[in-house]
Amino acid sequence: DTGVSQNPRHKITKRGQNVTFRCDPISEHNRLYWYRQTLGQGPEFLTYFQNEAQLEKSRLLSDRFSAERPKGSFSTLEIQRTEQGDSAMYLCASSHPGMLSSYNEQFFGPGTRLTVL
Amino acid sequence: AQSVSQHNHHVILSEAASLELGCNYSYGGTVNLFWYVQYPGQHLQLLLKYFSGDPLVKGIKGFEAEFIKSKFSFNLRKPSVQWSDTAEYFCAVTGGSQGNLIFGKGTKLSVKP
Repeated sequence: DTGVSQNPRHKITKRGQNVTFRCDPISEHNRLYWYRQTLGQGPEFLTYFQNEAQLEKSRLLSDRFSAERPKGSFSTLEIQRTEQGDSAMYLCASSHPGMLSSYNEQFFGPGTRLTVL
Repeated sequence: AQSVSQHNHHVILSEAASLELGCNYSYGGTVNLFWYVQYPGQHLQLLLKYFSGDPLVKGIKGFEAEFIKSKFSFNLRKPSVQWSDTAEYFCAVTGGSQGNLIFGKGTKLSVKP
């Protein structure tokens, strides 16, 4: 399967614990996005990378959240001191480095569902 | 700020009925428009997209959408739905260089066999 993959698919944690999610984009996609989706809502943008550079962060990304893409390939999203309000589906997407318009066609992974107890 | 409104939260149709899902966006510049679909238990998939040119775009599985710039709309249509179209449909817009998508809240479509 050459699509976007995310691990783990499900994570249950206790409030206050730290969690880390991983995203492996489609090979050679240089843009990688993180979104969060809560029940009854569409995905909301968190942050994105072009290669290893983190170029934009949403105001939704509090200082407890950090994302990295150290070698411009896979990315990790860490949440420190989790809160119940962090419970959501965390989605990763990647896009192709071709024509400018192609930057906007994003391919999504299956997501990581986080439950904070 | 950009925003997307989807008018219908849940639509229930019988097989063979026609479908139209509304989507309006708010953005002053050049936009790219998308419809994504999420089938039960599956990840988001691109249904169709509009970048430029013909405002009537055709996507997969018989879906189409029409971009009406004057109405800031990008409604999704299908002449005859099937039970397998049961899914959640998301309209999204992006503008500017960053490319991050702004999604609507989604419309859940239930098709009765």
